[in-house]
Formats: sequence, C-alpha cells, structure tokens
Amino acid sequence: KQEVTQIPAALSVPEGENLVLNCSFTDSAIYNLQWFRQDPGKGLTSLLLIQSSQREQTSGRLNASLDKSSGRSTLYIAASQPGDSATYLCAVRPNYGGSQGNLIFGKGTKLSVKP
Amino acid sequence: NAGVTQTPKFQVLKTGQSMTLQCAQDMNHEYMSWYRQDPGMGLRLIHYSVGAGITDQGEVPNGYNVSRSTTEDFPLRLLSAAPSQTSVYFCASSYSTPAFRGISYEQYFGPGTRLTVT
Repeated sequence: KQEVTQIPAALSVPEGENLVLNCSFTDSAIYNLQWFRQDPGKGLTSLLLIQSSQREQTSGRLNASLDKSSGRSTLYIAASQPGDSATYLCAVRPNYGGSQGNLIFGKGTKLSVKP
Repeated sequence: NAGVTQTPKFQVLKTGQSMTLQCAQDMNHEYMSWYRQDPGMGLRLIHYSVGAGITDQGEVPNGYNVSRSTTEDFPLRLLSAAPSQTSVYFCASSYSTPAFRGISYEQYFGPGTRLTVT
C-alpha cells in the first residue's frame, strides 16, 4: 500500500532564508507527484505537478524535484517570505489499484516564515 | 471560469439528519472526487467518478452516497449524519485519469465545506 510521509511536520524560518520541504513515498509506481499549498481554513492550491518521467519542475521561487527510484521529492523555496506561511502538502498518483489515478496525500509540513 | 465550487461553506447538522454537499466544475473535467480532511489523518478519498454515470468507492465510503448525472456536478450525500463525519470536505477535479487517457493531469480543489455534526 502506498504511503506518503512529509518531514518535518512543522518548520519555522526567518524571512529570506532558502528552505527545503521533504516528501517520501513507499512505492515508485506512480503517474505523477503534486505539491499543494493550503492556507488556514482554505482549500488546496496546486503549486507544481511533476510527471513520473520528469526530474524537476520550477515555478517562480519554487522548485520541485522527483527521484522516483528512491521514493523522494523535495520542494525548494527560495528567498522565503511571510506570505509563504502555509501548510504544504505532497500527493502521489499511483498507477495501480482499483482507485487508479486517485491521489494519496502526506500529512503536510506547516511552514511559518517570520519577518 | 469559476473552477471548482462547493456549497455550503459551513454546515451544522444534528445526528441522524441527512444533507447533500454540492460540488460543481466548469472546466469540462471528466474526473471528480470527494475527500475529507481530519486533523492528524490528512486527506482521505471518499468517492470518485471518472465520468457521468460512473462512480466508485474510495478509502472511506461508509455513510456517504454519490451520483454523477452530468459532467459538471458531483454531489455528496450524507445519509444519516454521525459525529464521526465532522470534518472538512473537499471536492476535486481533473481533466481525466491516467487509466482512461494514459496521461496524468493536475487536480484542482474546491474551497471546502466545513461540517459539524452534533
């Protein structure tokens, strides 16, 4: 059974720091991996989607990498800002099973960027 | 283009009551799904649909019912509400699933419905 783990559960950094959020998954049989941002009391906003054949994706100050063979992904945030404070969720889309194509989520990393 | 919309935003029910959470998307997405989010549990899949007239169960389907009569709408029905169903419910959609098109697509989420059952 696919399991997704995000470490750390919470992270506090000063403004301007570069940081890395980690995501690991137990089964490399995936179609893609998606990173989301969730603000308190809000829905999920998609940040980056990495297909299984890709190694990384970039959007602005965000860069996500994928190492499917080792079951790892990282989300790199450059020059962090207080507005980046949110919970970041990682999810994989397995390519097997009866619910093929449904996302399996990690529990998230709660990021706080202090001014 | 409104994306994925959900109503209501908040709801309080008494044990045993029934209700329907509404979800609609205007992106002509084939695939729609419902998740619940609980503290310490993360997001868990309740039901999903790969197209009009086709639905299937996810990880935690008990106590919930769905139907998909149109591409745009995917309502979630609580048959007899229980306190264990207190949660935040999210609807999501994507263009298709890999199984049907061989390509994996980004999923988009609605703003959520916060449900309390007393």
